Amino acid sequence: EVQLVESGGGLVQPGGSLRLSCAASGFTFSSYWMHWVRQAPGKGLVWVSRISSDGSSTTYADSVKGRFTISRDNAKNTLSLQMNSLRAEDTAVYHCASLYSSSWSEYFQHWGQGTLVTVSA
Amino acid sequence: DIQMTQSPSSLSASVGDRVTITCRASQSINSYLNWYQQKPGKAPKVLIYAASSLQSGVPSRFSGSGSGTDFTLTISSLQPEDFATYFCQQSYSTPPTFGQGTKLEIK
Repeated sequence: EVQLVESGGGLVQPGGSLRLSCAASGFTFSSYWMHWVRQAPGKGLVWVSRISSDGSSTTYADSVKGRFTISRDNAKNTLSLQMNSLRAEDTAVYHCASLYSSSWSEYFQHWGQGTLVTVSA
Repeated sequence: DIQMTQSPSSLSASVGDRVTITCRASQSINSYLNWYQQKPGKAPKVLIYAASSLQSGVPSRFSGSGSGTDFTLTISSLQPEDFATYFCQQSYSTPPTFGQGTKLEIK
């Protein structure tokens, strides 16, 4: 059974830092591009960042560029998101997701339940 | 970025009803359109990918259609477990973007 389990969320003050982790199991983690998607309370889904299967390529949403860093450890089947200079608008549940990709389709195949990050004084 | 607009934002329906949700892209995305279902406190789950392909394990009462800029998700006969929020998502270009969601509630 495929599992993605996020951890590391919590309450942090504006300007603070937090590191999220996503533990993957049940599939060949090292073969998949991985993504972070966030969801503010009562709101929709917003893409945050992605990393290639070997970790050599990363991309970020403009709203987090320069503040967040995505990384992965394929030996430990773990995805991470280092979040610095946090703002109130970063408050959200953060989901990790694996991307299925073929020549004619691409979609988020598996998702974790998410970890809540609250940025507040 | 490609903007995705869903309608309606919310919908009340009864068990057994046929329901259609619409998603419109701000530019052509060919068939790079996916639909997800999300229940409160749970992770999203893919229902339809590439506009009309049913994900393995998803009941056949769910179907998707469309190409270019206009897409629909249809539930042919609503079941109690279908009351949830539905999101469309384009995978044509980076960044991937989602519709704002359609909350399907029991009438």
